[in-house]
Amino acid sequence: DAKTTQPPSMDCAEGRAANLPCNHSTISGNEYVYWYRQIHSQGPQYIIHGLKNNETNEMASLIITEDRKSSTLILPHATLRDTAVYYCIVRVELRAQKLVFGQGTRLTINP
Amino acid sequence: GAVVSQHPSWVICKSGTSVKIECRSLDFQATTMFWYRQFPKQSLMLMATSNEGSKATYEQGVEKDKFLINHASLTLSTLTVTSAHPEDSSFYICSARGAPAEGYNEKLFFGSGTQLSVL
Repeated sequence: DAKTTQPPSMDCAEGRAANLPCNHSTISGNEYVYWYRQIHSQGPQYIIHGLKNNETNEMASLIITEDRKSSTLILPHATLRDTAVYYCIVRVELRAQKLVFGQGTRLTINP
Repeated sequence: GAVVSQHPSWVICKSGTSVKIECRSLDFQATTMFWYRQFPKQSLMLMATSNEGSKATYEQGVEKDKFLINHASLTLSTLTVTSAHPEDSSFYICSARGAPAEGYNEKLFFGSGTQLSVL
């Protein structure tokens, strides 16, 4: 699976949009971009995933660049409960058996 | 969404004893389950992958005789930490991957984790 690079930490004001970047310059054509988050002392929670097109669900939006070498997770109206570590993971969707986590970005939402 | 139940949520034990952690998929059949461990302020580290009815596959550096994994049914996997030592104290997390027919193939669902403290 392709490696990813994320900033170790970010801050965002409550109510503002939180934009979390992820670089995956060695991504292959059949690899998806997944985002998970982990709130303190809990198991990771699935947020969103995509291949080429931008995706949106009730939690977030995922913007993938045209060359697919980077992506941005957007939390449109961050709340204090969004404070967590966010992991960007690249993997082949169907064939890969395991999910390997990097260091992630520790996002702190400030009141 | 799918629910993965992990029990217990925390456990304290004495050195030399064994501890069993259970991971159950509540509303889907988990063909594959994964076990992770996580030290404070660090990322999750994959320990092993287990498929129902077969032996677990351990990651490099993980002692299979110390961390016994059993995946006897499509809804239950257990991790037993044998002869626990203080250095085994960690946050253990399981995750489950559903069968393709159930539409869960592309996502992994995680338990809430077990904090193990070995005295």
